[in-house]
Amino acid sequence: GENVEQHPSTLSVQEGDSAVIKCTYSDSASNYFPWYKQELGKRPQLIIDIRSNVGEKKDQRIAVTLNKTAKHFSLHITETQPEDSAVYFCAAVGSGGYQKVTFGTGTKLQVIP
Amino acid sequence: DSGVTQTPKHLITATGQRVTLRCSPRSGDLSVYWYQQSLDQGLQFLIQYYNGEERAKGNILERFSAQQFPDLHSELNLSSLELGDSALYFCASSLRQGAYEQYFGPGTRLTVT
Repeated sequence: GENVEQHPSTLSVQEGDSAVIKCTYSDSASNYFPWYKQELGKRPQLIIDIRSNVGEKKDQRIAVTLNKTAKHFSLHITETQPEDSAVYFCAAVGSGGYQKVTFGTGTKLQVIP
Repeated sequence: DSGVTQTPKHLITATGQRVTLRCSPRSGDLSVYWYQQSLDQGLQFLIQYYNGEERAKGNILERFSAQQFPDLHSELNLSSLELGDSALYFCASSLRQGAYEQYFGPGTRLTVT
């Protein structure tokens, strides 16, 4: 089955710096890659997603890149702010009739003011 | 508020017991997903339903079962509960299955004593 590895598990950055979180997946049939932000005690919320026919997507300070050949995708947050502090999860969703969702293990991001 | 509702919010029960968690998807969403999140752990995909039919299965134990009813609400049944089943259980819904944004409910926190 699909396996998603996420790195790093924790990340501390100074306010205003950039943060990068990387994920690799194993199933080449996966075609949808969302990123979720989860604040302590709250529900995960989608922050950005990318489909397999796109190499890059940007939304203000957040961007995601996808390399289908290497089977990895990354989340980039620029000009980090304290409110960006949270746990971030990547996920890979299969295609076709059997669409299992596999999440990465999460990255705890701390933005230091 | 994502529009997905889950009841109850908290549940405390003893080992060996059986509980039922309920989820109502956003209006118009046909797909429902169930996830388990243990303390300081990632999101484990359990099972997915689409328009009443089971479509994908993840790491769901045989003691657990789920179903989606004609009105599209879903229930997750957990039986013969063990201490290790204590976790936050999230339900999410999406318009269709696959490459569509999932909206998470607030979760049900289950404590098995």
